[in-house]
Amino acid sequence: NAGVTQTPKFQVLKTGQSMTLQCAQDMNHNSMYWYRQDPGMGLRLIYYSASEGTTDKGEVPNGYNVSRLNKREFSLRLESAAPSQTSVYFCASRVSGDSNQPQHFGDGTRLSIL
Amino acid sequence: AQKVTQAQTEISVVEKEDVTLDCVYETRDTTYYLFWYKQPPSGELVFLIRRNSFDEQNEISGRYSWNFQKSTSSFNFTITASQVVDSAVYFCAFYSTGGGNKLTFGTGTQLKVEL
Repeated sequence: NAGVTQTPKFQVLKTGQSMTLQCAQDMNHNSMYWYRQDPGMGLRLIYYSASEGTTDKGEVPNGYNVSRLNKREFSLRLESAAPSQTSVYFCASRVSGDSNQPQHFGDGTRLSIL
Repeated sequence: AQKVTQAQTEISVVEKEDVTLDCVYETRDTTYYLFWYKQPPSGELVFLIRRNSFDEQNEISGRYSWNFQKSTSSFNFTITASQVVDSAVYFCAFYSTGGGNKLTFGTGTQLKVEL
């Protein structure tokens, strides 16, 4: 029972490099999310996808792009990485249509940009 | 706009003590949902509980209990007889249909339980 799977778990990049973080869920959820977690700031929403074929900006979208490849997969791309994007990135998914349902999170990707 | 405040940045207790983690929220919505998540040192986020705005019943699950009070906009979390394994960061989160389909997190409370 994998739930939400994120790859890679760790990555170090140089400033200006590009990178795609992968996320896949096997719970048949419609909604998927990308968050970043920084010390003292909790989790902040970068982008979300309410359903296959749709994506919307969250609280901190600048410097990122996303692709909802199919119902299972939602990727996050950094086109030109900056040190300010050093963070832990979490992907989450949720059953849509029932606001009472919690989001289920992956284990996170720890990204360092030098 | 929605806001979640966890004023306690870090709490340290000795094992077997009771501890309460505070969560205060702000909203103008009448229908909303509150959640608690646990983030142990290993880093994953574990869902603990959800509560909707129409259900003010307190809930107890083993050593965990939650006190939801709409009058004070609070959703506090108490751990009874704390254990070292309870050491983690605990996040309170808020969701409403008027909130742009996003879960708003508090900044978290780091709980350290020592022997």
